Amino acid sequence: DIQMTQSPSSLSASVGDRITISCRASQSISTYLNWYQQKPGEAPKVLIYAASVLQSGVPSRFSGSGSGTEFTLTISSLQPEDFATYYCQQSDTTPQVTFGGGTRVEIK
Amino acid sequence: EVQLVASGGGLVQPGGSLRLSCAASGFTFNNYAMTWVRQAPTKGLEWVSGISSGGGGRFYADSVKGRFTISRDNSKNTVYLQMDRLRAEDTAVYYCANDVTVANGRYFQYWGQGSLVSVSS
Repeated sequence: DIQMTQSPSSLSASVGDRITISCRASQSISTYLNWYQQKPGEAPKVLIYAASVLQSGVPSRFSGSGSGTEFTLTISSLQPEDFATYYCQQSDTTPQVTFGGGTRVEIK
Repeated sequence: EVQLVASGGGLVQPGGSLRLSCAASGFTFNNYAMTWVRQAPTKGLEWVSGISSGGGGRFYADSVKGRFTISRDNSKNTVYLQMDRLRAEDTAVYYCANDVTVANGRYFQYWGQGSLVSVSS
């Protein structure tokens, strides 16, 4: 099974900061990597698919990069509504998929 | 407007059964595979099961294989998850989502609000 490891597990940042979240796969997954945002009490929402493709309607301050085993989600200018937990998910071993453990983003 | 409305959750004793339903609207249901993802209290996301658009392909996580059965009724725009021999570790919020395959990936586009399943004596 492919393991997905996110870092950090949590971070605190100020409005306007640029933040990055890392996701590492235990083996190469090409660009079969998605990012989701989950706010407390809500269902997850897809932000990025195929490592770098922005889902329609998602603000352009979100971006994704990487391939193989190393991936990054970047928020270029953190907004108050970005307080949430972010998950990466690999879809290389379809139909089974696996999620990372999550990164909780807190606003200072 | 796309909606996925999950129902059927509740409190059940270990060894018991529940059937979750997820009713879809606002998109062409029979064009999409569907999936169930769960989230235990204060934990992360875990993929549980998926079904192809026509229902012929059904897939399960190892943790539920042999106990859970996924199905769909395209005439009712509804996907189901029959959960048997439930264990305490199955306690979670269960989300349904449509499963989108593109040339360079696959992702879960629209999600329901979740249905809470609690397994306890």
